[in-house]
Amino acid sequence: DVKVTQSSRYLVKRTGEKVFLECVQDMDHENMFWYRQDPGLGLRLIYFSYDVKMKEKGDIPEGYSVSREKKERFSLILESASTNQTSMYLCASSPTFEGEQYFGPGTRLTVT
Amino acid sequence: GESVGLHLPTLSVQEGDNSIINCAYSNSASDYFIWYKQESGKGPQFIIDIRSNMDKRQGQRVTVLLNKTVKHLSLQIAATQPGDSAVYFCAERVFYNQGGKLIFGQGTELSVKP
Repeated sequence: DVKVTQSSRYLVKRTGEKVFLECVQDMDHENMFWYRQDPGLGLRLIYFSYDVKMKEKGDIPEGYSVSREKKERFSLILESASTNQTSMYLCASSPTFEGEQYFGPGTRLTVT
Repeated sequence: GESVGLHLPTLSVQEGDNSIINCAYSNSASDYFIWYKQESGKGPQFIIDIRSNMDKRQGQRVTVLLNKTVKHLSLQIAATQPGDSAVYFCAERVFYNQGGKLIFGQGTELSVKP
């Protein structure tokens, strides 16, 4: 079974803090994705990566950056957390860019 | 613009009944669709997919129907069980940067009454 893990299930941070969300997949997938999930807005793509050290902006990249130094690990970085970044963050991986994606359990981030 | 929408945000059914969850999509060029199930506190989980050259695909207790004429997708769950209670998302693949990407709908919450 494909396994995607995220470093934290729940996280509380203060406004202005730098926040790191980690995601690891164990299936040697080329493609990894970061989404945020908000009520009424569904899943929105923040960033994705199709190879090590490669990254592309998704639909809502503002306020975020990413890092992919190893194939199995994709990190989402909030440079200076703000309250409007309070959300559920979901990581996914996929063997092909446009195919089925496998999701992690999510990190619920609260910024106070 | 691109959007994948669901007709009903919530659906309540009796245990043992069949459930039908609907989804409308806007991109007539979309060629691949997926249904996901998301239980409380968990990430979305793949249920079933269908390609645009098909009208119907069946899995275990689930059937997906695709009507390309009206750009409509539905998920049918037979003999709904309490464990089926979850939020269900549809996703469509749209062309993006010489490839494709998935666009997700907002979700329908299915509640199964015992």
